[in-house]
Amino acid sequence: EPEVTQTPSHQVTQMGQEVILRCVPISNHLYFYWYRQILGQKVEFLVSFYNNEISEKSEIFDDQFSVERPDGSNFTLKIRSTKLEDSAMYFCASVLRESRTDTQYFGPGTRLTVL
Amino acid sequence: SQKIEQNSEALNIQEGKTATLTCNYTNYSPAYLQWYRQDPGRGPVFLLLIRENEKEKRKERLKVTFDTTLKQSLFHITASQPADSATYLCALPAAGSARQLTFGSGTQLTVLP
Repeated sequence: EPEVTQTPSHQVTQMGQEVILRCVPISNHLYFYWYRQILGQKVEFLVSFYNNEISEKSEIFDDQFSVERPDGSNFTLKIRSTKLEDSAMYFCASVLRESRTDTQYFGPGTRLTVL
Repeated sequence: SQKIEQNSEALNIQEGKTATLTCNYTNYSPAYLQWYRQDPGRGPVFLLLIRENEKEKRKERLKVTFDTTLKQSLFHITASQPADSATYLCALPAAGSARQLTFGSGTQLTVLP
């Protein structure tokens, strides 16, 4: 069964450094998302992406964050200058169609640790 | 603002019994509600979606109900097994959003052998 993949599984970085988290969504899916989950807390929406542009973003997704689909398969989340509070699991998800009720398929996540 | 509450942080039940998890929401009338399973250190895995005009949905040993009057969904696992032990998340589309999901904090289910 096709699945969303994410790399790396764990990223450790120093505060102030830039990180890029990578995701390969399911190949024929059209909508892409990033969520994050701080340890012990809820899964929180960051951003959704469709047709090469951001369709929605949350208050968390400030100017330090950006997303890109550099080619036909990868979907990346960049954090320009990491802060301690960016430490979390980051999940990528993808959806096949335009229907609102279509299932979001989540990847296994990248654990980001900011020191 | 929209709020989602799941009944308890942790639920322990004996193998073979039915687990019942609750999701309550306020200040909102969602068009649908979803349930996900999350294992430690892993991403959420979709289980079931129920629409506002559906009272009940089943999938194998899973059953979900949706009461839009009470603003509540119940999630049942019948004949529970130790392999069902995980955190179960309720998720709703965010108010005014096309696709953004808002998650509850989850209920950690442990099925004891």
